[in-house]
Amino acid sequence: AQKVTQAQTEISVVEKEDVTLDCVYETRDTTYYLFWYKQPPSGELVFLIRRNSFDEQNEISGRYSWNFQKSTSSFNFTITASQVVDSAVYFCALVNYGNNRLAFGKGNQVVVIP
Amino acid sequence: DVKVTQSSRYLVKRTGEKVFLECVQDMDHENMFWYRQDPGLGLRLIYFSYDVKMKEKGDIPEGYSVSREKKERFSLILESASTNQTSMYLCASIGGNYEQYFGPGTRLTVT
Repeated sequence: AQKVTQAQTEISVVEKEDVTLDCVYETRDTTYYLFWYKQPPSGELVFLIRRNSFDEQNEISGRYSWNFQKSTSSFNFTITASQVVDSAVYFCALVNYGNNRLAFGKGNQVVVIP
Repeated sequence: DVKVTQSSRYLVKRTGEKVFLECVQDMDHENMFWYRQDPGLGLRLIYFSYDVKMKEKGDIPEGYSVSREKKERFSLILESASTNQTSMYLCASIGGNYEQYFGPGTRLTVT
């Protein structure tokens, strides 16, 4: 079984503040992949990052960074110096190796106030 | 670039109508998915297909059926639309790296 929990439903920040989105996952498998997707108001889910279970290196891409910690089963996402264009729903997802069904969290609605 | 397209962005149907939602992908992916998205509930899997003419139920298949006659096309069918099927419907296909590629979504309203 696989499960993803995103506890915070809606987060509001003032522009230029940092925001961190928590993602906690459950799986019995040792090989799995974690994802973050962004869904802007237009509706289409946009892929942001994929991380496999053997790669615990943190990653930074521009203002986005991800912190993967297997010890706490977490894959958190931070937006640094937020901008209005970051306003969206963000989903964390998990898939076990060999299984094509992704388990999605319920999403975090991020509202960046100018 | 992978492209997943859906036949309509917005659709309004009446209760009891038969509704077809079409999804096409251009990357020769074997696996395709239909989700519905509702506020507070996230994405819920309705059906998926791992090959032509093959399908499997997801978590909420009741009231829906699917058709996969060609590899690139995966259709979601609401046999008799009801108001509780008003939702955003998202189609996706999956590549070899497990990444799901999503279509733009169809916002369906059943009145």
